[in-house]
Amino acid sequence: GAVVSQHPSWVICKSGTSVKIECRSLDFQATTMFWYRQFPKQSLMLMATSNEGSKATYEQGVEKDKFLINHASLTLSTLTVTSAHPEDSSFYICSARISGGRIGQNIQYFGAGTRLSVL
Amino acid sequence: KNQVEQSPQSLIILEGKNCTLQCNYTVSPFSNLRWYKQDTGRGPVSLTIMTFSENTKSNGRYTATLDADTKQSSLHITASQLSDSASYICVVSRMDSSYKLIFGSGTRLLVRP
Repeated sequence: GAVVSQHPSWVICKSGTSVKIECRSLDFQATTMFWYRQFPKQSLMLMATSNEGSKATYEQGVEKDKFLINHASLTLSTLTVTSAHPEDSSFYICSARISGGRIGQNIQYFGAGTRLSVL
Repeated sequence: KNQVEQSPQSLIILEGKNCTLQCNYTVSPFSNLRWYKQDTGRGPVSLTIMTFSENTKSNGRYTATLDADTKQSSLHITASQLSDSASYICVVSRMDSSYKLIFGSGTRLLVRP
């Protein structure tokens, strides 16, 4: 089946540093990727929609200058948490939508997630 | 308002027993409904995906049903195993070009020996 690789799986950083998370579709092209944030015992919360070759679309309340998204190719999207603070500590998950298909078919595969801990 | 509601929030069962998880949705226009299994600290893994014309779909010991008229779905787990302990998330896709998924809050299942 289709595979989405997310790297790193776990990162610990000092407050004030920036952290980059990569999301790669290994065996399919993904025009659209999604970034989610998940707090303990809660479901996934959509942060932004990443479109190849264009600016990301952010959900209400998500700071675009804080969470930089780049989708430079059909197989790679990156999320950079800038000037990270302890409150940014969370589980970040990406998903990649297989390009093409009917509207609504919307086949997406999820990465394994990245656990970010900001000290 | 597009919503997906799941019940129960949590469930504890003994190994070998069966269980059924519920999902109600008010998403429109509806495209398809998926059930995902998410282990702690991992990304969601797809179990089943059903369009409005499909009433049931199985994946091993997992069987999902869909009633598009009442907008209800269930996930039945047969002969539970310890490895079934996880969160099960019901997710609905709308028939539009945003490709956003609408997530339920999940059911946390614990299978005890």
